[in-house]
Amino acid sequence: AQSVSQHNHHVILSEAASLELGCNYSYGGTVNLFWYVQYPGQHLQLLLKYFSGDPLVKGIKGFEAEFIKSKFSFNLRKPSVQWSDTAEYFCAVNAGDAGNNRKLIWGLGTSLAVNP
Amino acid sequence: DTGVSQDPRHKITKRGQNVTFRCDPISEHNRLYWYRQTLGQGPEFLTYFQNEAQLEKSRLLSDRFSAERPKGSFSTLEIQRTEQGDSAMYLCASSSETDYYGYTFGSGTRLTVV
Repeated sequence: AQSVSQHNHHVILSEAASLELGCNYSYGGTVNLFWYVQYPGQHLQLLLKYFSGDPLVKGIKGFEAEFIKSKFSFNLRKPSVQWSDTAEYFCAVNAGDAGNNRKLIWGLGTSLAVNP
Repeated sequence: DTGVSQDPRHKITKRGQNVTFRCDPISEHNRLYWYRQTLGQGPEFLTYFQNEAQLEKSRLLSDRFSAERPKGSFSTLEIQRTEQGDSAMYLCASSSETDYYGYTFGSGTRLTVV
């Protein structure tokens, strides 16, 4: 069975600090990988996704993630965070060869607080 | 607003009562998903529709839970004889046939069972 592990449950940073949130998954086959963000009081929004090709994926708001197949990882990065990045971040995975159901398996989430 | 709508936003109910939630997906999206999210957890898959057909149902969904999408448009999720453990945020998402993973989530329905 697939699973997703997010290493950091709570992260506190000051503005302009660099961010890296860890995500590892367990699945031996082809995978599609996602990072979602949930700002306080808002619905889940897609930050970025990886299906194939360049393992370095750029998303919205200056976020990027790198797929490292050998490490089963898909870490999220941002070089300089802002107060407005305060949110819950979720890593999710779908088996790329799972047939018609494209359900996502989610990590527990990382709560990021950015101090101004 | 052309996003995914969920109704109600909040529901407080007494244990043992039945509740029904509604999800209106983006009109051109034929895929609809229900997830449940509890505090400190990521969303957990509950069920999935392609058009009106319910193609998969999680083992998390006990016999007290039922979901429908009768005309391939809106969907309802009903919980019968609610229990305190049902308290959670119920999320609906939709996607199109071509943008397979372009999930658009609704704001969710927060259920509190007292």
